[in-house]
Amino acid sequence: DTEVTQTPKHLVMGMTNKKSLKCEQHMGHRAMYWYKQKAKKPPELMFVYSYEKLSINESVPSRFSPECPNSSLLNLHLHALQPEDSALYLCASSQPTTGNTEAFFGQGTRLTVV
Amino acid sequence: AQSVTQPDIHITVSEGASLELRCNYSYGATPYLFWYVQSPGQGLQLLLKYFSGDTLVQGIKGFEAEFKRSQSSFNLRKPSVHWSDAAEYFCAVGRAAGNKLTFGGGTRVLVKP
Repeated sequence: DTEVTQTPKHLVMGMTNKKSLKCEQHMGHRAMYWYKQKAKKPPELMFVYSYEKLSINESVPSRFSPECPNSSLLNLHLHALQPEDSALYLCASSQPTTGNTEAFFGQGTRLTVV
Repeated sequence: AQSVTQPDIHITVSEGASLELRCNYSYGATPYLFWYVQSPGQGLQLLLKYFSGDTLVQGIKGFEAEFKRSQSSFNLRKPSVHWSDAAEYFCAVGRAAGNKLTFGGGTRVLVKP
């Protein structure tokens, strides 16, 4: 199983809503990532979890709150978002050890903030 | 800091013709290099990777890439493109510690019949 599964595939939310994006992998990977991708742009790293601990936060606004409940799951909690936060949110996983940084990506959640 | 440049924003190629996508990187140590492909509205699929060893690497879908340290390049090639190769292609560099990828700006490939 080399899949990273993201739910939902599409999400429309208002600026006062609270929602969560979910990501799951069963490859035994111990590093998981959230990337944000605006239209016609490359993915930009938001957060990295290594062994279920937050290791990198790329100065992301606090309205985005990541959570890693266990080694297979990664959530991104959303609250009070702005229309400019509309984007494709990609989850990825990999082994965190030296020598193999191959990351597997999910299909993404297309988020629209209205 | 690591960085990746893909000089070509768009490339149009005829079906059956060869394709080469350019990638230049900047990194202080031995880089870990990747090519990903993304169809519209989809996630990223890994085409191939280079960690060490043979500088010509083979990937999926008939793609190959060559690592040239002297030119800081990792160009992607395919001898004969198919209409299904129309997509966005991203080159990326990763740290040896394995927990951060930096992507180039991407190259959009259009395939003419």
